[in-house]
Amino acid sequence: NAGVTQTPKFQVLKTGQSMTLQCAQDMNHNSMYWYRQDPGMGLRLIYYSASEGTTDKGEVPNGYNVSRLNKREFSLRLESAAPSQTSVYFCASTGHTYEQYFGPGTRLTVT
Amino acid sequence: AQSVTQLGSHVSVSEGALVLLRCNYSSSVPPYLFWYVQYPNQGLQLLLKYTSAATLVKGINGFEAEFKKSETSFHLTKPSAHMSDAAEYFCAVSLHGGSQGNLIFGKGTKLSVKP
Repeated sequence: NAGVTQTPKFQVLKTGQSMTLQCAQDMNHNSMYWYRQDPGMGLRLIYYSASEGTTDKGEVPNGYNVSRLNKREFSLRLESAAPSQTSVYFCASTGHTYEQYFGPGTRLTVT
Repeated sequence: AQSVTQLGSHVSVSEGALVLLRCNYSSSVPPYLFWYVQYPNQGLQLLLKYTSAATLVKGINGFEAEFKKSETSFHLTKPSAHMSDAAEYFCAVSLHGGSQGNLIFGKGTKLSVKP
């Protein structure tokens, strides 16, 4: 059981470039989440997917898009990266026991 | 609307001393509450959770938390700090109450442990 995996671990982008962060879980969870973590801000929800085929905006969705490709995979896309999107991004999933399981994170720097 | 307040962004204790990390919540529905720990350059790991069963919840690594409805609190404690407890700790409340999964996180408390 790998749990929640994320790729890549690190990424540096120039302003205006695009990229997709990948997330996969092998726990057969229905719900998946994307957060960003910034110093002193805790974790803020970007988008979530309550089940395969559905996605909803969280607290800070602007500048991001998501795709729930299947039950296992939930990707986050930055179409035109901005320095304000420099952050650590975490993917998480949850099943019927209510707690969320987190991936190791992607550190993104936008210059 | 649900919210979480963690008092103190930094807490420093000596090794062997009591650890007390404070969390207060507001929720319009009976809450589910969680404490997570994050070690440097890692993801978040669940320490313990309250889901309306026993009000005193025991977690991993000797941590426990008590749900106090009258005080809207869910403080995290450990009787004796260890150097390996140095990390950042996050309190979270379930957004909708129960099984819908969305969480609201506090801003975190960084715990330092002095030898």
